Amino acid sequence: GAVVSQHPSRVICKSGTSVKIECRSLDFQATTMFWYRQFPKKSLMLMATSNEGSKATYEQGVEKDKFLINHASLTLSTLTVTSAHPEDSSFYICSARDPGQTFFGQGTRLTVV
Amino acid sequence: QQPVQSPQAVILREGEDAVINCSSSKALYSVHWYRQKHGEAPVFLMILLKGGEQKGHDKISASFNEKKQQSSLYLTASQLSYSGTYFCGTDGGSNYKLTFGKGTLLTVNP
Repeated sequence: GAVVSQHPSRVICKSGTSVKIECRSLDFQATTMFWYRQFPKKSLMLMATSNEGSKATYEQGVEKDKFLINHASLTLSTLTVTSAHPEDSSFYICSARDPGQTFFGQGTRLTVV
Repeated sequence: QQPVQSPQAVILREGEDAVINCSSSKALYSVHWYRQKHGEAPVFLMILLKGGEQKGHDKISASFNEKKQQSSLYLTASQLSYSGTYFCGTDGGSNYKLTFGKGTLLTVNP
């Protein structure tokens, strides 16, 4: 079946640095991918919709300059957390939809110290 | 708008049944059900499309009443492996974007 691969699975970074998370659709093309954020014991909150070849669409309250999204090809979307702070620590998950089913990446546990 | 899931949590003994509900205040195109284990990404269970269908595999099934904008997930003869948080994701037909409920924590004890 279709697979979405997310990398890295865990990352620890210092406050003020930037972190890039990659999301790849391995055996299907995804013109649209989604980035979610999940706090412990909470639901998945949609951050933005990543559109291949055009600008991402951000949900209300999500800072565009803080969470940079690039969708340069039909199989790759990246999320860059810029100038990370401890409050950005969270579980970030991407997803992509093959017609009829949404697949999630493995998730990235980001810890900012 | 975020769909409403109920109950928030349920504790079962192995072999018991459970029902998890998901309701929305807006018209739905489809409902997706996922199970998430602690520290892992959600795992797809099933999708129900507009048309009021019912699906199932093994001892997990679900129904979708589009008129009531509700879906229910049925877990029968629960197994220890069923433990986790169950999320419903609703799709209003807008570019595949899913909005998730707050989740239902299911604990199955021996």
